[in-house]
Amino acid sequence: QLQLQESGPGLMKPSETLSLTCTVSGGSISSSSYYWGWIRQPPGKGLVWIGSFSSGGSTYYNASLKSRVTISGDTSKNQFSLKLSSVTAADTAVYYCARHFWYSTSYYFDYWGPGILVTVSS
Amino acid sequence: SSELTQDPAVSVALGQTVRISCQGDSLRSYYASWYQQKPGQAPVLVIYGRNNRPSGIPDRFSGSNSGNTASLTITGAQAEDEADYYCNSRDSSANEVVFGGGTKLTVL
Repeated sequence: QLQLQESGPGLMKPSETLSLTCTVSGGSISSSSYYWGWIRQPPGKGLVWIGSFSSGGSTYYNASLKSRVTISGDTSKNQFSLKLSSVTAADTAVYYCARHFWYSTSYYFDYWGPGILVTVSS
Repeated sequence: SSELTQDPAVSVALGQTVRISCQGDSLRSYYASWYQQKPGQAPVLVIYGRNNRPSGIPDRFSGSNSGNTASLTITGAQAEDEADYYCNSRDSSANEVVFGGGTKLTVL
């Protein structure tokens, strides 16, 4: 059974760079059939896709966050990461990592991590 | 980028059928996927593709598509179906993915 687990700091100060890691077990991020993505959810609000990458070399980002986001993978550790620069209070959210099927006419997230709450506060 | 529009809230009587809709231009080209999210939990995929359910999802959940609208139908809603439901699809004009704003389902 595929499992994903987010890790990283729970509290950050404005202007810092957020770094989160997603550790994948029960499957490989090297699989060419899938992308691996990050989604966030501000408190009391809806889901927002941040971006997704594949070990084959393609990475896609939400245009509204693209200037501040980098998503990359480490196949040796079977992990992928999110970096979000210059955080503000608006970046306070639960951050989820997920496996992302990205092909033809079907796009869906079939396995999710439990999420990690990141709070940005001075 | 494209948008997906959902009704903010829907209610259904226990055991009855409810349809949750999602509208957007991208749905003319791409299938919607649907997620159930209960308080304090990660979203769970319930429908993907034309009308596919992941293993473990009850068959009372089904999906359909017509023009620019995708629908999630729960036939015989149960108390445990009370949750937020989100649709998701690809943007029709960019390599991006978008979520609808979510629908809060109340089972009366």
